[in-house]
Amino acid sequence: AQSVTQLDSHVSVSEGTPVLLRCNYSSSYSPSLFWYVQHPNKGLQLLLKYTSAATLVKGINGFEAEFKKSETSFHLTKPSAHMSDAAEYFCVVGSYQKVTFGTGTKLQVIP
Amino acid sequence: DADVTQTPRNRITKTGKRIMLECSQTKGHDRMYWYRQDPGLGLRLIYYSFDVKDINKGEISDGYSVSRQAQAKFSLSLESAIPNQTALYFCATSDFLTGTGGYSSLHFGNGTRLTVT
Repeated sequence: AQSVTQLDSHVSVSEGTPVLLRCNYSSSYSPSLFWYVQHPNKGLQLLLKYTSAATLVKGINGFEAEFKKSETSFHLTKPSAHMSDAAEYFCVVGSYQKVTFGTGTKLQVIP
Repeated sequence: DADVTQTPRNRITKTGKRIMLECSQTKGHDRMYWYRQDPGLGLRLIYYSFDVKDINKGEISDGYSVSRQAQAKFSLSLESAIPNQTALYFCATSDFLTGTGGYSSLHFGNGTRLTVT
C-alpha cells in the first residue's frame, strides 16, 4: 500500500523565521517524491522533486527537502519565511502504480 | 500554451445533469489522472490511465466515469451530478522512467471548479 502523511494540517511562523513542513510516506517501491504549493484560488506549482538522485533536493523560492529513507520522511524546509510563502503545501509520492497526495499543510506567515 | 489544458475552467450545473470535464496534454505522457480537491482532504484520485487501453479506478470512482480518447485526451464524466460532487477537479499527466525508475515529472492543469446545485 502507498500512503502519504503530512503531520501538520496548519503551520504558523513569523516572517523571517525558519519553515518546517513535515511529510512521511509509505511505499512498496522506490518512490519519487514531490512537494507542490497551491496559493489561494490557484493551481498547483512544483516546488521540488526527488527521483533517486541526491537526497538533499533544492527547489524554487529557497525551499529544500531531504529524503531520509530510514525515516521514510521528506520534510520541506526554508531558512527564512516570506509573506509570499503563505499557501497550502502538498507532499506527493509516486510509484509505479500511482501517485498519491498528502492532505496538505496550510502555512500562515505572520508579519 | 499550457502543457495540460482543462475545460471548462468553471461550471455550474444542476442535480441530475450529465457533465463532462475535458483534459488535453501536449507533454506526450502516457499516464493521465483525474483528482478532486476538497478542503482539508487534499487531492483524491478518481481515475487514472497508463495508456489508451489501460484505465483504472482510483480511491473515489463511484459516480464518475472516464474516457481516454487518445494519448493526449482524458475526459471525466459525471453521469448524474449530485451536490457532494461540488469540488475543484484537476487533471494531471506524468511519465515514468522504467530504466532508472521513478517519475521525472508530474504536470497539472489549472483545474475545473464544478458546482452542483
